[in-house]
Amino acid sequence: ETGVTQSPTHLIKTRGQQVTLRCSSQSGHNTVSWYQQALGQGPQFIFQYYREEENGRGNFPPRFSGLQFPNYSSELNVNALELDDSALYLCASSSKGQGRAEQYFGPGTRLTVT
Amino acid sequence: QQQVKQSPQSLIVQKGGISIINCAYENTAFDYFPWYQQFPGKGPALLIAIRPDVSEKKEGRFTISFNKSAKQFSLHIMDSQPGDSATYFCAASIGSSNTGKLIFGQGTTLQVKP
Repeated sequence: ETGVTQSPTHLIKTRGQQVTLRCSSQSGHNTVSWYQQALGQGPQFIFQYYREEENGRGNFPPRFSGLQFPNYSSELNVNALELDDSALYLCASSSKGQGRAEQYFGPGTRLTVT
Repeated sequence: QQQVKQSPQSLIVQKGGISIINCAYENTAFDYFPWYQQFPGKGPALLIAIRPDVSEKKEGRFTISFNKSAKQFSLHIMDSQPGDSATYFCAASIGSSNTGKLIFGQGTTLQVKP
């Protein structure tokens, strides 16, 4: 059984640019949630994808968007990057509709916006 | 009402001692309470979780105590080891048999001295 993987590991972008982060869910899981973790803070929920649709969204602007693919992997896209978008972006894999609440996190993508 | 408040912010414990981290919540709809362990540069790892129908859950050296009436829960690490030095996050969500968004505490940095 493979765990949650994310790519890239690190990324440096300039303010105003766009970025795409990728996540492969754990084998057998059908749901991916994305979180933003600023330095020294707890993760903040961005949104969740289930059956290729957004299934809940946190307090993040529309320039944060995502996709889920038929193989349950997911992308997080951020447009018009701002300095405050610098953070560790985490995806969490889980099984919705199977009576389980556990979410398993990947190693994260460290995004630096200059 | 969506907040989860965690304390202390940091904790220093001698090897072999007991580490205790506390969390409090307001939203009585929360019904799933996990704890995560995070090492520097890594994603959070699920440690142990509890649902409000039980007052205590133990897994190895880790125990969650849950007080529904006080809306508080805590993590106890028995026989703390230097390898336990990490940041610990409590979290809460709605939907114990389904994967809802996790609301995280601010984190506790634990240092176990040899």
